[in-house]
Formats: sequence, C-alpha cells, structure tokens
Amino acid sequence: DGGITQSPKYLFRKEGQNVTLSCEQNLNHDAMYWYRQDPGQGLRLIYYSQIVNDFQKGDIAEGYSVSREKKESFPLTVTSAQKNPTAFYLCASSHPGQAFFGQGTRLTVV
Amino acid sequence: RKEVEQDPGPFNVPEGATVAFNCTYSNSASQSFFWYRQDCRKEPKLLMSVYSSGNEDGRFTAQLNRASQYISLLIRDSKLSDSATYLCVVNQAGTALIFGKGTTLSVSS
Repeated sequence: DGGITQSPKYLFRKEGQNVTLSCEQNLNHDAMYWYRQDPGQGLRLIYYSQIVNDFQKGDIAEGYSVSREKKESFPLTVTSAQKNPTAFYLCASSHPGQAFFGQGTRLTVV
Repeated sequence: RKEVEQDPGPFNVPEGATVAFNCTYSNSASQSFFWYRQDCRKEPKLLMSVYSSGNEDGRFTAQLNRASQYISLLIRDSKLSDSATYLCVVNQAGTALIFGKGTTLSVSS
C-alpha cells in the first residue's frame, strides 16, 4: 500500500543528545515537510523540501537539520541546540498541494 | 497579520446542530485550499479540498471566497463523532503548506 511512514512512534532523548526521526514515503511525491505540534497548539513548519537535494527552512528551523538525498526519504535530526524538543513531530508529503501525513513521532526529553 | 487564521473555539454544540467555521488567509497568491480533521494525539487527515465553486460531501460543505480571502466549512446534523479539531490549510505553488491553528469542535448528546 502507498503511504508515508514515520519511525519511531515514541522516542526518548537525553539532554545533549542528537536524535534522528525517520520519514519515508512511497507515494512518489516531490514535496515533503516536517511540522512540530505542541499540546493544544497548531502545526508549525520546521523544514520543507520541494525536490531532491534541496530544502528550505520553515518558521522554527533552529536546532533542527534535514537531508533529502532520496525522493522517498526526508529524515529530521533534532540536535542538542534545540532547547525544548519535547513535542509531537509530523512528517507529510504532497503532490500537488494535498498533504498526506505519517502517524507522527512523540519525542520526549528525559 | 498571520498567514492563516482560524477561530480556535471551542465550539460546543448539541447533536443535530449545524455549525460553521471560517478561515482567513493573507496571501492572495494562494492556490490550493483544504480542510483537515485532527483527532486527539493523531495525525491530521484530509477532510475535503475547497474549490471556488464550492463542494459538498455528505453533511460537509466547503466554500472558497477569493475576493474576501476566506474559506468556510459547514457541518450539518452534527454527530458525536464529529468532535475533533478542524485545520484550515492553504498552499501556494512551490511553497510549503500553511496550517491554521485549528478550530475545536465538541458535539454533545
């Protein structure tokens, strides 16, 4: 089945550690996105990519990094520079416009 | 002015009620418009696309007003299962999808 897969579903990080969230899609979509959602809040854009080997910062890119080496994959690294990383992270892909989401990763700093 | 604005609610309505949400957007170059539904602790899922001519899917009707730069969602005969957060999404060609913060609907018996 076509879809977008995020892993892991739950992730715990110690302070000072970098962690990488996986996002894979087999929908042949060009555009992929990472959003962060805090409790009771809307989705805030971290990074997006319209094409392989290219990506753009969103509204809250500080403390995060991404790569887009393959069309299917758009991993997000939460670095130690991100001071408040505990949140629900959502990956999406789209072509054109309409977005499909993965099930999300809940990251908690312990 | 924020790019996409929604009334956060909550909208508390009884079963069977009709409820309407509006969403305004600031960029007149926006091309695509959608309503998503998000249940608690779940990912957003597409409810319906929004076209200038308006579109209807069962109890749900979406409208786009380009002149006034807003989109609307009407839910008729509300069900308990309609309780969720409804997100307005706007897209321009070649840029990211922009989400509103969502409107919370609570339908009670």
